[in-house]
Amino acid sequence: DVKVTQSSRYLVKRTGEKVFLECVQDMDHENMFWYRQDPGLGLRLIYFSYDVKMKEKGDIPEGYSVSREKKERFSLILESASTNQTSMYLCASSSSGTRGYEQFFGPGTRLTVL
Amino acid sequence: LAKTTQPISMDSYEGQEVNITCSHNNIATNDYITWYQQFPSQGPRFIIQGYKTKVTNEVASLFIPADRKSSTLSLPRVSLSDTAVYYCLVGDLAGSGGYQKVTFGTGTKLQVIP
Repeated sequence: DVKVTQSSRYLVKRTGEKVFLECVQDMDHENMFWYRQDPGLGLRLIYFSYDVKMKEKGDIPEGYSVSREKKERFSLILESASTNQTSMYLCASSSSGTRGYEQFFGPGTRLTVL
Repeated sequence: LAKTTQPISMDSYEGQEVNITCSHNNIATNDYITWYQQFPSQGPRFIIQGYKTKVTNEVASLFIPADRKSSTLSLPRVSLSDTAVYYCLVGDLAGSGGYQKVTFGTGTKLQVIP
């Protein structure tokens, strides 16, 4: 069974803290993505990566950075967490050979910044 | 990336067939039509994808007319467990020799009533 796992389901951090969200996939997928989901706004793409050490900005990259040192792992970093980054964060992966938009999502991390 | 329009919400009684239509007037030649399902506090789950005509799997059917400017997701005999948000996406991750950003939008919230 294919799987995308995220390091935490729930996370509470304080304003100004550095936050790491980790995502691991076991499908040997080339592409990995980070989204955030907020009520009424749907899913918004933060960053994606199509290869190790490669990254591309999505629609809302401000305040975030990413790291992809290994094919199976994609990390989202909040350098200095702020309250407006309280959200559900979703990681996904897909194969570069896949047509259309078939992605596999993790369970999500609900981050609260106090 | 083709813009999609789908109803914000729908209600249906248990046991009925539900059809959710998505409009995508500016779909490109290489674009696929992909539908996802999302339950509260979970990541979206891929349910079906098609390019033209009709596609059917164990979960749903997808009807695409010849002009491909719309598509209809059909859920047969829905149950309470089908209550979820359904997203329609149009594009091609592997197309155009590059990468397309994914836009999920806010989807259609389906409420199944006992």
